[in-house]
Amino acid sequence: AQTVTQSQPEMSVQEAETVTLSCTYDTSESDYYLFWYKQPPSRQMILVIRQEAYKQQNATENRFSVNFQKAAKSFSLKISDSQLGDAAMYFCAYRSASGTASKLTFGTGTRLQVTL
Amino acid sequence: DTEVTQTPKHLVMGMTNKKSLKCEQHMGHRAMYWYKQKAKKPPELMFVYSYEKLSINESVPSRFSPECPNSSLLNLHLHALQPEDSALYLCASSQVNPTEMNTEAFFGQGTRLTVV
Repeated sequence: AQTVTQSQPEMSVQEAETVTLSCTYDTSESDYYLFWYKQPPSRQMILVIRQEAYKQQNATENRFSVNFQKAAKSFSLKISDSQLGDAAMYFCAYRSASGTASKLTFGTGTRLQVTL
Repeated sequence: DTEVTQTPKHLVMGMTNKKSLKCEQHMGHRAMYWYKQKAKKPPELMFVYSYEKLSINESVPSRFSPECPNSSLLNLHLHALQPEDSALYLCASSQVNPTEMNTEAFFGQGTRLTVV
């Protein structure tokens, strides 16, 4: 079974600064997908960024980028130029590429605070 | 349309009541999911439907009864719940088989359920 670990329960960043959220995972599969989801107080889980395991290039989406280290099974999220609206719970998630309707396995989450 | 719509947003029910949670999506996704999320915890998978058939039941008590009447709708019927079942219930949908451009699950805003 796959496991996802987020070792930082809470992080804080000043507005306009950069912060990195950590995620490690354990799997015996070679093909899979990794995601960062954001859950603000409004409750909806919103996809921030995704990474396909077969791609060596790190994914980027505007101010969000990942550092994907497949051998180390590490998938960290970097948020640049942090904004107040980035304050939320961030979940790292894993999805197998094999099988049908494979579920998402979530980490325990990191609560990000953004201060002025 | 990349929306998953859940109703109601809030629900308070007694332990002897019967109620239903509803979820709808029009993205053509044939995999639909129910997750349960307690405060400050990650979502926990309850059920997965694939092509309108139940494919995963994560040993959920029978007081929770899922139903997938068609490819756009997912229901969760609730009966004789306990106070510890109070939580946020999230619905999600995705492609059954991930493809390069369609790997992620889309989530609804959830139903905040309180059992009294």
